[in-house]
Amino acid sequence: GAGVSQSPRYKVAKRGQDVALRCDPISGHVSLFWYQQALGQGPEFLTYFQNEAQLDKSGLPSDRFFAERPEGSVSTLKIQRTQQEDSAVYLCASSPPGIPYNSPLHFGNGTRLTVT
Amino acid sequence: AQRVTQPEKLLSVFKGAPVELKCNYSYSGSPELFWYVQYSRQRLQLLLRHISRESIKGFTADLNKGETSFHLKKPFAQEEDSAMYYCALSGLTGGGNKLTFGTGTQLKVEL
Repeated sequence: GAGVSQSPRYKVAKRGQDVALRCDPISGHVSLFWYQQALGQGPEFLTYFQNEAQLDKSGLPSDRFFAERPEGSVSTLKIQRTQQEDSAVYLCASSPPGIPYNSPLHFGNGTRLTVT
Repeated sequence: AQRVTQPEKLLSVFKGAPVELKCNYSYSGSPELFWYVQYSRQRLQLLLRHISRESIKGFTADLNKGETSFHLKKPFAQEEDSAMYYCALSGLTGGGNKLTFGTGTQLKVEL
């Protein structure tokens, strides 16, 4: 069916507000990734799930960032007390089962977060 | 630590001219390299990966471990090749396909 779906496409938050970004991966994809892409930069890894297990969260920039995937499908990235430096495009990607290090990533369109 | 360097932010070529987008990497182990592309108003998508040794849309990339490079090449540029290109590296860790991306090169093919 459809590819990776992210919502909302655009989010404007006032500094200090909490935001929640949603990712709906391709059906059957066990691996799910979140990336942050600042203006003029390449995507930077935030966190990785295999099914419902968060196996790597080494890229989360602070404890204000939290991600979950409770049933192994839809994932939510939550940012608490947003700061201006959080302004970026947040990309979600999923990949099919297989040899993990060379499975292609399928990206969503991203959520552009602007913190004012 | 893993690092990917794309030295050119913008590359402008004429239609029919050869294209080479440069990518250098730093990684202590055995890397897996990829090129991803983002066309205007579209999502980021895989173009090719070195393990497949394939040619996609006329593009090829050869992994040169001695020079730690994975440059993307095409002999004759087409207008539809205009896009943002990202080189990416995946290390053999337990973290799935945890990609490290370069900063990207905007390719502009002029008529």
